[in-house]
Amino acid sequence: QVQLQESGPGLVKPSETLSLTCAVSGYSISSGYYWGWIRQPPGKGLEWIGSIYHSGSTYYNPSLKSRVTISVDTSKNQFSLKLSSVTAADTAVYYCARYSSSANFDYWGQGTLVTVSS
Amino acid sequence: EIVMTQSPATLSVSPGERATLSCRASQSVSSNLAWYQQKPGQAPRLLIYGASTRATGIPARFSGSGSGTEFTLTISSLQSEDFAVYYCQLGYTFGQGTKLEIK
Repeated sequence: QVQLQESGPGLVKPSETLSLTCAVSGYSISSGYYWGWIRQPPGKGLEWIGSIYHSGSTYYNPSLKSRVTISVDTSKNQFSLKLSSVTAADTAVYYCARYSSSANFDYWGQGTLVTVSS
Repeated sequence: EIVMTQSPATLSVSPGERATLSCRASQSVSSNLAWYQQKPGQAPRLLIYGASTRATGIPARFSGSGSGTEFTLTISSLQSEDFAVYYCQLGYTFGQGTKLEIK
C-alpha cells in the first residue's frame, strides 16, 4: 500500500521560506510517476502547486512558479517543497500526492497545516 | 488555461435520494477527468477517474459520465457517509467544489 507523509514546521514567519518534505513508503519513487504538492487554504478549495518526476523534471503552477522549488531525493524515497517569501495568503493545509498514469492524484498524504504568522 | 466550474456550489439532498453534481470545462477536454470526495479534516479521496471508472474500493452507487466540456458525478442513493465536498479535476486544475449537505 502506497503511503505518503508530510512533515515540516507548522508555523512560518512572513517573508521566510516554507519547507516541507513528503516521505513515501510502499512504492519506490524511482519506479516512476509524478509526485506533487497541493494546498488548501482554510475553508477553500484545492490548488495544485507543482509536481516532480524521479528524474528531477518539474512542473509548477504558473501563479506560484517564481517562489516554488520542488526537489526529489530518491535515496530517501522522498520529495520536498520550498515556497519562498511567504505571506498570510500561503496559510493552508499542504498535501503531497502521487499523480497517476491516468492523470489523477490517487494517493494522498494526510496533510499538514502551515500557518504564516509573526 | 482550462477552467473547471462546478455546480451547484451547495446541494441539499435527503438520504436515500439521488444526487447529481456537475463539472464544466471552459473548453473541450480529454476524458481524463477525475472526481474526489473530501470530508472535514481529511485528505481528498479519489472516486472516479477517466470520467467514468470507479477507483478501487469505491461503491457502485458512485458513477461518473460525460465528455467534451460537460461531466457529471451521480450518487444513486445517498448514504450518511456521502455528505461531503466533491471536487472535479483535470490535469492540474481542480474545480471549486460542491458541498453535498443533508436536506
